[in-house]
Amino acid sequence: AQTVTQSQPEMSVQEAETVTLSCTYDTSESDYYLFWYKQPPSRQMILVIRQEAYKQQNATENRFSVNFQKAAKSFSLKISDSQLGDAAMYFCAYRSAWLDDMRFGAGTRLTVKP
Amino acid sequence: GAVVSQHPSWVICKSGTSVKIECRSLDFQATTMFWYRQFPKQSLMLMATSNEGSKATYEQGVEKDKFLINHASLTLSTLTVTSAHPEDSSFYICSARPGGTGLDTEAFFGQGTRLTVV
Repeated sequence: AQTVTQSQPEMSVQEAETVTLSCTYDTSESDYYLFWYKQPPSRQMILVIRQEAYKQQNATENRFSVNFQKAAKSFSLKISDSQLGDAAMYFCAYRSAWLDDMRFGAGTRLTVKP
Repeated sequence: GAVVSQHPSWVICKSGTSVKIECRSLDFQATTMFWYRQFPKQSLMLMATSNEGSKATYEQGVEKDKFLINHASLTLSTLTVTSAHPEDSSFYICSARPGGTGLDTEAFFGQGTRLTVV
C-alpha cells in the first residue's frame, strides 16, 4: 500500500519569506499523481498544486512550486513571498494512475508571522 | 472549478440515533465519490469509495453496516451513520470526480460536515 509521510508537524515562516514543506511517499508504481492541498480553518480542502509523475518538469502555480524527485520519492512544496493567508494545514497526497482513491500525509501546520 | 456541496455543515445528534450526510456535485456528474473522516488535528482517512448505481467499496476496518453509503444518482451520494455513538464524532468530508474523464482529472472536495454525538 502506498504511504505518504510528512515529517514536519508544524512550520513557521515570516511574512514575505520562503518556506519549504517536505513530503515523501512510498510506492512501487511508476505512474501516479501527487498533490498539495491547503486546509484553512474553514476546513475546506483547496488544491494548491499537482504533479504528474511522468513529467520531469516541476509544477509551478504562482508563488507555489514543487521539487519533485521521483527516484528519491520526494515531493516538497515551496511557498515564496509568504502571505498571512497562507497560514493553514497543508496535506501532501498521492493517487495512483490506476486507482481512484487518494492517500494523504499527516499534514503540516504552517504559521505565517507578520 | 467544480463545486461539491455537503449538507449539513454541522450536526449534533443523540447517541443511538442515525444521521444522514449528503454530498452533491452541483455542476458536474460524478460517477465516483469518496468519503473521508478526519479526526481533530489529523489527516483525512479514506472510508469508502462510492460508485453510482453499485455498492460502495469500504476501506479495511470501516464498518459497512455502521456507515451506510448510497450513491443513487450521478450528483448525489449520502453517508448515513447508523446508531451513532460519541466515538463517531468527527469531521466527515466527501469528494467527487467528474465522470467520463480520465483518472488524471482532479477530485473536488465538499466543505465537510462536523458530527457531534452526545
